[in-house]
Amino acid sequence: KNEVEQSPQNLTAQEGEFITINCSYSVGISALHWLQQHPGGGIVSLFMLSSGKKKHGRLIATINIQEKHSSLHITASHPRDSAVYICAGGSSNTGKLIFGQGTTLQVKP
Amino acid sequence: NAGVTQTPKFRILKIGQSMTLQCTQDMNHNYMYWYRQDPGMGLKLIYYSVGAGITDKGEVPNGYNVSRSTTEDFPLRLELAAPSQTSVYFCASSYSIAGSTDTQYFGPGTRLTVL
Repeated sequence: KNEVEQSPQNLTAQEGEFITINCSYSVGISALHWLQQHPGGGIVSLFMLSSGKKKHGRLIATINIQEKHSSLHITASHPRDSAVYICAGGSSNTGKLIFGQGTTLQVKP
Repeated sequence: NAGVTQTPKFRILKIGQSMTLQCTQDMNHNYMYWYRQDPGMGLKLIYYSVGAGITDKGEVPNGYNVSRSTTEDFPLRLELAAPSQTSVYFCASSYSIAGSTDTQYFGPGTRLTVL
């Protein structure tokens, strides 16, 4: 059983919609990472957070340590947001990242 | 800065062949990692290094070897390629341990097929 679970696995949205991707984890973590992977492309770090909320442009990431849950929100979605979004927890025991399976997002014009 | 670079981008191997995936970073990072990404699965850690001369196994090290003779380079060696090693391989680096509050930087990936 993966210790980091994402939902949904696949998501299709219309341009302009508000999007939420969820991440739940069952291990103690010291930091939660959100990553973006474009089709055929590399992986880019979007956010790293250990508490509260972070915002960058149209992207917002939140984390609730007590509930072991994080969300990634995209406001006013655009087709260029189409990518795989990956949640990863940094284990407070080992210091290594534990990755979720990823959420494939397609934003249609 | 070029960041993290990987070569080759694509490779097809026959069963039993060997090859080395190259990874170089120019950010003077102490920590380097090799991951594999299989369809529908999360990234899995193969090996990692905390500095030149120091390497350790990750979750899925069988069939692979690594070395770290310099801060910049962290090659991954496949000795006897098997179809189960068909995957996309990512190298990454970070200044401190990525599971803490440090960003991890990824290379563009190497798509390997073993037939």
